[in-house]
Amino acid sequence: KQEVTQIPAALSVPEGENLVLNCSFTDSAIYNLQWFRQDPGKGLTSLLLIQSSQREQTSGRLNASLDKSSGRSTLYIAASQPGDSATYLCAVYNQGGKLIFGQGTELSVKP
Amino acid sequence: EPEVTQTPSHQVTQMGQEVILRCVPISNHLYFYWYRQILGQKVEFLVSFYNNEISEKSEIFDDQFSVERPDGSNFTLKIRSTKLEDSAMYFCASSNNWGTEAFFGQGTRLTVV
Repeated sequence: KQEVTQIPAALSVPEGENLVLNCSFTDSAIYNLQWFRQDPGKGLTSLLLIQSSQREQTSGRLNASLDKSSGRSTLYIAASQPGDSATYLCAVYNQGGKLIFGQGTELSVKP
Repeated sequence: EPEVTQTPSHQVTQMGQEVILRCVPISNHLYFYWYRQILGQKVEFLVSFYNNEISEKSEIFDDQFSVERPDGSNFTLKIRSTKLEDSAMYFCASSNNWGTEAFFGQGTRLTVV
């Protein structure tokens, strides 16, 4: 059974820092991996989708990497801003096409 | 920019009552999903729907739950007899193909009292 774990559970950084969020999964037979942002009490905003054949994907200040063999993905955020404060969720698509989520990393960027 | 919309944003219902949560997926998408998130817990899959039938469902999605696409735009989740433990945020999502980027709605917060 696929399990997705995100470390750390919470992270607080000063504005301007570069940071890395980690995601690991137990079954490397994934189809794709998707990173989301969730603001308190709100929905999920898609940030990046990495296909299983890709090693990384970039969007603006965000860069996500994927290493299927080791069961890991990272989300790199460059030059963090207070507006980046949110919970970041990692989710993997299994062979059945459903998303299996991690518990998220709650990020706080202090001005 | 196209988006998934859900109504209502918040619903309070008495235990044992039926509720219908409504979603309008992105118009050219073919795959539809319901997920839920109990407060403080992970987002968990409920059901996927394609070509007017359920593709996959989780153990949570028992006989109390049903989904329907009554017309060309709406996608609904019905809970027949709500329980206290059904209280959660319910998210609708859609994608244009299997395993491609999924777009989520803002959620319906269901409170069962």
